[in-house]
Amino acid sequence: DGGITQSPKYLFRKEGQNVTLSCEQNLNHDAMYWYRQDPGQGLRLIYYSQIVNDFQKGDIAEGYSVSREKKESFPLTVTSAQKNPTAFYLCASSHQGRKYYEQYFGPGTRLTVT
Amino acid sequence: KQEVTQIPAALSVPEGENLVLNCSFTDSAIYNLQWFRQDPGKGLTSLLLIQSSQREQTSGRLNASLDKSSGRSTLYIAASQPGDSATYLCAVRDPDKLIFGTGTRLQVFP
Repeated sequence: DGGITQSPKYLFRKEGQNVTLSCEQNLNHDAMYWYRQDPGQGLRLIYYSQIVNDFQKGDIAEGYSVSREKKESFPLTVTSAQKNPTAFYLCASSHQGRKYYEQYFGPGTRLTVT
Repeated sequence: KQEVTQIPAALSVPEGENLVLNCSFTDSAIYNLQWFRQDPGKGLTSLLLIQSSQREQTSGRLNASLDKSSGRSTLYIAASQPGDSATYLCAVRDPDKLIFGTGTRLQVFP
């Protein structure tokens, strides 16, 4: 089945530790995205990548880092510099090069930092 | 800066009712608009995608309309069912990313 997988589903970390969230897609999509969702707020874009080895900051990139070494994979690292890392993180992907493309989402990772 | 608003924030209706969810956006220069469904603790499921040149899209009991000039979209759900209970999000493409509203939490009771 084609789709987007995110792992793990739940992640617990101590304050001050870096943590990496996994996102893999087998839809042959060029573009991939990371969003953060907090209660009562809409999704906010952290980083996005339109091609391999290239990525751009979104609206709330501070305290996060990404890499795009393979088309299928777009891992997100939440660093100790992120002041409020506890949130629900969603990865998405879509075709690129056309204006009218649909975004598809993974199941999400809930990160809790104490 | 594009802003997306969804009203109401929450809605509770009896089974069988037809209902309308609203989405408004401040900048009419959008490429497309997408409606999503989100169940508690889950990712987003795409329901309908309306291109900027289109007026509406239909899928089963769902119908979404788009009026760019007024900066509005509506999602119409016919004959609502308890299984429709979820949060519904709209998002506009602007242009390399999606800008999301905060969602409408829908509860359909038997």
